[in-house]
Amino acid sequence: KAGVTQTPRYLIKTRGQQVTLSCSPISGHRSVSWYQQTPGQGLQFLFEYFSETQRNKGNFPGRFSGRQFSNSRSEMNVSTLELGDSALYLCASSMETRTYEQYFGPGTRLTVT
Amino acid sequence: KNQVEQSPQSLIILEGKNCTLQCNYTVSPFSNLRWYKQDTGRGPVSLTIMTFSENTKSNGRYTATLDADTKQSSLHITASQLSDSASYICVVTAAAGNKLTFGGGTRVLVKP
Repeated sequence: KAGVTQTPRYLIKTRGQQVTLSCSPISGHRSVSWYQQTPGQGLQFLFEYFSETQRNKGNFPGRFSGRQFSNSRSEMNVSTLELGDSALYLCASSMETRTYEQYFGPGTRLTVT
Repeated sequence: KNQVEQSPQSLIILEGKNCTLQCNYTVSPFSNLRWYKQDTGRGPVSLTIMTFSENTKSNGRYTATLDADTKQSSLHITASQLSDSASYICVVTAAAGNKLTFGGGTRVLVKP
């Protein structure tokens, strides 16, 4: 069974731009969660989607948004990029909820200049 | 406030030696505790997941213990290998609201 895939793997953007990251979960998994990881803050939860609905949300500004499609693939969008948005963005999928076993993708390394 | 504290922040061990990582949490009510291994620049990979009723679980050379009374967990690495060099993250799930709380991780460097 293929694992969680994320595209692109690396991205360089400038301040003020917007970016869209993509995540394809493991086949059969319906829950997709997004995390931001920085050296200073560690892993921080962004949001979780299940059956195309946002089920949980972390403490991030409205510039961070996401959506999930009927095939469970998910996208995350960050608008008006700031230097502090530079991070590794991780997507994780699980069968039902994120309290189940979560399987992480390799991440997208976003650099904002 | 739910918190997960890991110690030490980093450690260096010689190949072949054992080491133990600690995780203390204040998450309540408790649902489960997981340990992940994360190689640099990669996504975390699950090592173990333990519920309230489990006090030990092994995955190869990795053994996790859980003391739900004292709210402590440990991850023991036996006969360390160079490939064990990674960050190890403790994650606790609260039963209420299915909230996940992440520890800051322990960075392990195994030297030959």
